[in-house]
Amino acid sequence: DAGVTQSPTHLIKTRGQHVTLRCSPISGHKSVSWYQQVLGQGPQFIFQYYEKEERGRGNFPDRFSARQFPNYSSELNVNALLLGDSALYLCASSQTDMNTEAFFGQGTRLTVV
Amino acid sequence: AQSVTQLDSHVSVSEGTPVLLRCNYSSSYSPSLFWYVQHPNKGLQLLLKYTSAATLVKGINGFEAEFKKSETSFHLTKPSAHMSDAAEYFCVVIFPVGYNKLIFGAGTRLAVHP
Repeated sequence: DAGVTQSPTHLIKTRGQHVTLRCSPISGHKSVSWYQQVLGQGPQFIFQYYEKEERGRGNFPDRFSARQFPNYSSELNVNALLLGDSALYLCASSQTDMNTEAFFGQGTRLTVV
Repeated sequence: AQSVTQLDSHVSVSEGTPVLLRCNYSSSYSPSLFWYVQHPNKGLQLLLKYTSAATLVKGINGFEAEFKKSETSFHLTKPSAHMSDAAEYFCVVIFPVGYNKLIFGAGTRLAVHP
């Protein structure tokens, strides 16, 4: 079975642009969470979606938004990019919003210049 | 509030010697605790998890961790380090707020020398 897949793996954007990151969860998993990992730090929670509804949001500005589609895949959108948005963005898949086990994708490395 | 503190940002060991990565947690609830490993340019892989069953938890690749409530600790150990163990290790606590939110420690970078 395929694991969690994220695309693209790397991208470079200019300040002020917007970006869309994509995640496909493990087949049968209905919950997707997004995390931001700045270099040298642990991942920070951004969003969790379950059954296409937002279940939780971390301490991130409104420039960050996400959605989940009927097939449970998800997009993370970031508008008006700042240099500080440069990070590894990780997607985690779990069966439900209360599962204790999360499976992570390899991440999307975003560089803002 | 839930939080985790990883007491060492870097640990260096020789191949074949024991590994100890330290983690303390703070939780208002009976915690669910995890260790994840991240190899360079890779995603996160679950090593092991504690969810209120046995206090000594065995994981993959010979790692294990012991939950000590009196010390609020969840240290990760391995009897004999291998070169392939060199990676970043994260201690994680779940924050159950109507959904499960993972709270990560800052990470410990493990270096293994020949």
